[in-house]
Amino acid sequence: KQEVTQIPAALSVPEGENLVLNCSFTDSAIYNLQWFRQDPGKGLTSLLLIQSSQREQTSGRLNASLDKSSGRSTLYIAASQPGDSATYLCAVYNQGGKLIFGQGTELSVKP
Amino acid sequence: GAVVSQHPSRVICKSGTSVKIECRSLDFQATTMFWYRQFPKQSLMLMATSNEGSKATYEQGVEKDKFLINHASLTLSTLTVTSAHPEDSSFYICSARGEGNYNEKLFFGSGTQLSVL
Repeated sequence: KQEVTQIPAALSVPEGENLVLNCSFTDSAIYNLQWFRQDPGKGLTSLLLIQSSQREQTSGRLNASLDKSSGRSTLYIAASQPGDSATYLCAVYNQGGKLIFGQGTELSVKP
Repeated sequence: GAVVSQHPSRVICKSGTSVKIECRSLDFQATTMFWYRQFPKQSLMLMATSNEGSKATYEQGVEKDKFLINHASLTLSTLTVTSAHPEDSSFYICSARGEGNYNEKLFFGSGTQLSVL
């Protein structure tokens, strides 16, 4: 059974810092991995999708990496801003056709 | 990007009543839709997968008679919480995937906050 774990559960940083969020998964047989952002009481916004054959994806200040063999992904946020404050969710799309989520990292960027 | 509309965004109902939540794909045909439930400070838990024109597949522990899912068209899926009780209070989110491609992003609705009094 696929399990997705995110560390840390919560993170508070001053504005301008670079930071890394971690995600690990137990079954490497995945189609892809996605990082999402969720604001309180809202739905999800897809940030980055990494196919199983890819190593990383970049969008603006965000960079996501994938090491499928070790079951790890990281989301790197450069020059963090208060507007980045949200919960970040990692999810893997496994070969059963289901998207399995981690529990998220709650990020707070202080001005 | 693709848009998934979920309605209502918030509903308050009395215990024992039924509540219907709609999930629409606005600019693409969604052959598969997923329904998730999220408790405060917790992650999304998959409840069921619905494919257009067929019965939904429910995850273990999810009562199919309580959470009725209908996916009658390629753009609409509904979740009906029947005889709602306070323990059904939760945030429900739908997502949709286009035809047959697991390598596409999933797009999510904005969620429905259900409060059962």
